Amino acid sequence: QVPPRQLGGGLLKPSETLSLTCAVDGGPFTTFHWGWIRQPPGKGLEWIGEVHQGGGEYNPSLQSRVTISADMSRKQFSLTMTSLTAADTAIYYCARGYGMTSWGQGTKVTVSS
Amino acid sequence: QSVLTQPPSASETPGQRVSISCSGSNSNVGSYQVFWYQQLSGTAPKLLIQNDNRRPSGVPDRFSGSRSGTSASLAISGLRSEDEADYYCSSWDDSLSAWVFGGGTKLTVL
Repeated sequence: QVPPRQLGGGLLKPSETLSLTCAVDGGPFTTFHWGWIRQPPGKGLEWIGEVHQGGGEYNPSLQSRVTISADMSRKQFSLTMTSLTAADTAIYYCARGYGMTSWGQGTKVTVSS
Repeated sequence: QSVLTQPPSASETPGQRVSISCSGSNSNVGSYQVFWYQQLSGTAPKLLIQNDNRRPSGVPDRFSGSRSGTSASLAISGLRSEDEADYYCSSWDDSLSAWVFGGGTKLTVL
């Protein structure tokens, strides 16, 4: 299976909104879990949330600022995170599958004024 | 502070065997399967072990996983220099309704 392909990212200012998208090239879409994970510089992995046929779940610590949505017709899923601060600076990864079995290449997001 | 506890570092010489532990609780490792990921320097994590002990296609059988009670472990035998990487464990946590990770273990092949 081809790993999901990430789009978006870059430099954002504090209080702005982050929008990232992952495209699924080939293979089924509706039967999988699609999730987002981030990794601050020099630190470990933090699960952000996921969406699937039955709905979705979010990291309780980020839930108030995060929305993950899926566009089945375009085979894409997206992450929106509001009210960014410097603490949101990280590499953001999208992943497919229960247990995050296939990862995207990662997108560097920097939040700085 | 990670929900799952891993040793921050491990080291062993080439050809030897190393084991990395992952300790959790009844709400995660004690009830749900564990996944292991390998992250080589500057790259995205890659699934190494799924469902406690299943290797995805392409992962050498030098890598093995196990789970017992509220702990899991990843074993690497016949260590090679290319195994030098960060290793993370993960499991679903039903009290948080979230996937949780260990803090990661940096493996050095001496």
